[in-house]
Amino acid sequence: KAGVTQTPRYLIKTRGQQVTLSCSPISGHRSVSWYQQTPGQGLQFLFEYFSETQRNKGNFPGRFSGRQFSNSRSEMNVSTLELGDSALYLCASSPEGALNTGELFFGEGSRLTVL
Amino acid sequence: KQEVTQIPAALSVPEGENLVLNCSFTDSAIYNLQWFRQDPGKGLTSLLLIQSSQREQTSGRLNASLDKSSGRSTLYIAASQPGDSATYLCAPVGMRGGNKLTFGTGTQLKVEL
Repeated sequence: KAGVTQTPRYLIKTRGQQVTLSCSPISGHRSVSWYQQTPGQGLQFLFEYFSETQRNKGNFPGRFSGRQFSNSRSEMNVSTLELGDSALYLCASSPEGALNTGELFFGEGSRLTVL
Repeated sequence: KQEVTQIPAALSVPEGENLVLNCSFTDSAIYNLQWFRQDPGKGLTSLLLIQSSQREQTSGRLNASLDKSSGRSTLYIAASQPGDSATYLCAPVGMRGGNKLTFGTGTQLKVEL
């Protein structure tokens, strides 16, 4: 069974640009969450999607947005990039339903560098 | 707001030692708590998941305990090996629904030969 797949793995952007990151969850998983990891702030929750609806949202500005498609794949977008957006962006998926233990499975992340 | 503290922040031990990593959290109304390891530049690997109704969970050389009322969890690593070198993170999940994890800052472990 394939794990959580994130693309691209590495990317470099300049200030003011926008970026879109993609996440394919484990087959059958319907919940997808996004996290930002930086040396200064650690791991911070961005948002979670379930059945194409945003279910939870962290404390990030509106420049950070996301969506989920009917096949549970998710994308997140960051507009008007700032230097401080340089980070490892991690996606996690989780099954839902009666057998859900709440366990999250993470991808390898997308490393964004903003110059 | 949930706050998570992990002690120690860093730990260096010789191979073969038994270790205890500590995690404390401020809001005891949790759904479960998950322990992860992270290798440099990599994603997170799930180690153990403890439901709020459980006291402990074991997987191989790893044992995690949970005392929800006191807001504490410990990860015990038996007979440590160099391959255990990584950052260990704990993350409780709140009861409000959804899969929002609050992470601690982690314990950076180095196991030396």
